[in-house]
This record gives sequence, structure tokens and C-alpha cells, in this order.
Amino acid sequence: ETGVTQSPTHLIKTRGQQVTLRCSSQSGHNTVSWYQQALGQGPQFIFQYYREEENGRGNFPPRFSGLQFPNYSSELNVNALELDDSALYLCASSRAGGSYEQYFGPGTRLTVT
Amino acid sequence: DAKTTQPNSMESNEEEPVHLPCNHSTISGTDYIHWYRQLPSQGPEYVIHGLTSNVNNRMASLAIAEDRKSSTLILHRATLRDAAVYYCILRDTNTGANSKLTFGKGITLSVRP
Repeated sequence: ETGVTQSPTHLIKTRGQQVTLRCSSQSGHNTVSWYQQALGQGPQFIFQYYREEENGRGNFPPRFSGLQFPNYSSELNVNALELDDSALYLCASSRAGGSYEQYFGPGTRLTVT
Repeated sequence: DAKTTQPNSMESNEEEPVHLPCNHSTISGTDYIHWYRQLPSQGPEYVIHGLTSNVNNRMASLAIAEDRKSSTLILHRATLRDAAVYYCILRDTNTGANSKLTFGKGITLSVRP
């Protein structure tokens, strides 16, 4: 069974640029959630995708957007990057209707300068 | 989402049991108690969850108070690999597929050799 994978591992961007982060969900999982984790804090929920549609969103502005593909992989896009967007971005997959356990990838470390 | 309260940190000795407390005085009847942990430089990892009865799995045990306003995660024999941040999270089963996790700061467990 393949776990959740994310790419890239690390990324450095300049303020104002745009970034795309990618996530491949665990086999058999149809729901993908994205989280932002600032240094020293717990992860904060950004949004969730189920059957290729956004299915819940946290307190993040519209410049954070996402996609889910038919194979259940997902992308997180962030436009107009700000310094405060520097964080670890985590992707988690789960099986809707199951026991709601979420399986996390290792994350992408984004640095905005 | 109902909130949880955890101590900031705890220390234990290797091969001794560890009891990690969590208070959730505003828990509702449909909230499951979930525990995740995050090892250094990794994404969070599911540990255990329960509703009313105590639960055991290969990783840990979860003891839930009779009034459900507190719970304790029990690691029966701590190893150095158990050094991590442990998060106690309440999840409302009524949210269905929108199964976001609301993380606090968690408790940082240190294990002494």
C-alpha cells in the first residue's frame, strides 16, 4: 500500500509569486485535505476535496485554491505569496464514510522571501 | 469545534509508561476523541480514537473518563522513537465527509534514555 506523497519537498519563492504544491493520496482514499503548519504551531485546516469538489474550507483567503483529479491526487495553489505564507504544507488523505482516520504526507516546506 | 486543553510538555524515561492527559470539558455527544502524533520532520500520524469506551491498539491505549470531559493517552513502554508532539482532537461525527481535524499546540513528549 503506497502512502501519501507530496512534492516538492522544499521550495523557495519570492513575495508576490505563485506556487503549486502536489499531493498523491493513499490508495483507496477519495478525500484529500490540506493543512498549513507554521513553525511551533499545530496544523491549520485550509480546505478539503471530495469527488473533485471543495468540501469544506478553513479561514484562508481565496488566493489559496485547490484541485482534485479523477485519480484523487490534488494540488494546492497559492497566489500573490506573502511572507506569512512561509510554512509546512501538509496533505492528508482519507476514505469518506470510513473511520475518518487521516493519513498525512511528509509535507512541503515553503519559504517566501 | 470543541476545544481541548493539554499541558505544553512532558518528560518520561525510556521503557516506562507515559500518561498524556487531555481536557475537553465542552465535548458534545457526537464528538469522537482522536489522538495524532507528529515526529520531528514528519507529518502527523494517527494514533488512536474513541467515543465512550476505553480503546487499545498496537500503539497505545485511550482511557476516557466516564463523563467524557477528559481522556488520557497511555503509552505502555516509552521508547526514544515516541518522542513527538501529541495532539488530542475532537471530531464531530455529524460532519460526515467534511472530516477536518482541528489541531491545538499539542503536548511535546521528551523521552530520556
